[in-house]
Amino acid sequence: DAKTTQPNSMESNEEEPVHLPCNHSTISGTDYIHWYRQLPSQGPEYVIHGLTSNVNNRMASLAIAEDRKSSTLILHRATLRDAAVYYCILRDIGGGADGLTFGKGTHLIIQP
Amino acid sequence: KAGVTQTPRYLIKTRGQQVTLSCSPISGHRSVSWYQQTPGQGLQFLFEYFSETQRNKGNFPGRFSGRQFSNSRSEMNVSTLELGDSALYLCASSLGGNKVIMNEQYFGPGTRLTVT
Repeated sequence: DAKTTQPNSMESNEEEPVHLPCNHSTISGTDYIHWYRQLPSQGPEYVIHGLTSNVNNRMASLAIAEDRKSSTLILHRATLRDAAVYYCILRDIGGGADGLTFGKGTHLIIQP
Repeated sequence: KAGVTQTPRYLIKTRGQQVTLSCSPISGHRSVSWYQQTPGQGLQFLFEYFSETQRNKGNFPGRFSGRQFSNSRSEMNVSTLELGDSALYLCASSLGGNKVIMNEQYFGPGTRLTVT
């Protein structure tokens, strides 16, 4: 899996939008962009994934740059429960097996 | 639908011993992946099983092994435990199959292993 770069930590206020960036300058045309998050004392959980177009689901939105070398996970209205480590992961569509390659992720701190 | 379950949740072992951890995937899921999480190395992929076959493997020594049963339940074994094996061991299940990029992984709560 190709490498991603994320800030070590970010801080935001409750009820405000949060934009979590991810750089993946060596992304290939067959790489999907996945986001997972890990709440304190829990296993990671899936957030969202996309290929080229922006994606929305009940948890978040994913904005993908036109050249696909970067993406941004958007939490529209952060709550205290969103405090977690967020991981940006690339997965090759041609890959025949599961198994995620996690980086260090971004530790998101939410202030009340 | 019940989530991924892992047993035991906590375990204390002595250096040199061996340990077996168990994972029960979500009903209908055929792929089970194992991860090790430590403060220093973060989350690292160990291996993945699909239909009782190891399909993918991370960069871990041969002391780490696993297997999957016909009901998709999986076990991982660590032999000759070292202090550095102290970690949270996470199991994740997914539908499996060929459309990997659509396979959202569901993680269990993990087994906290302490080696003394």
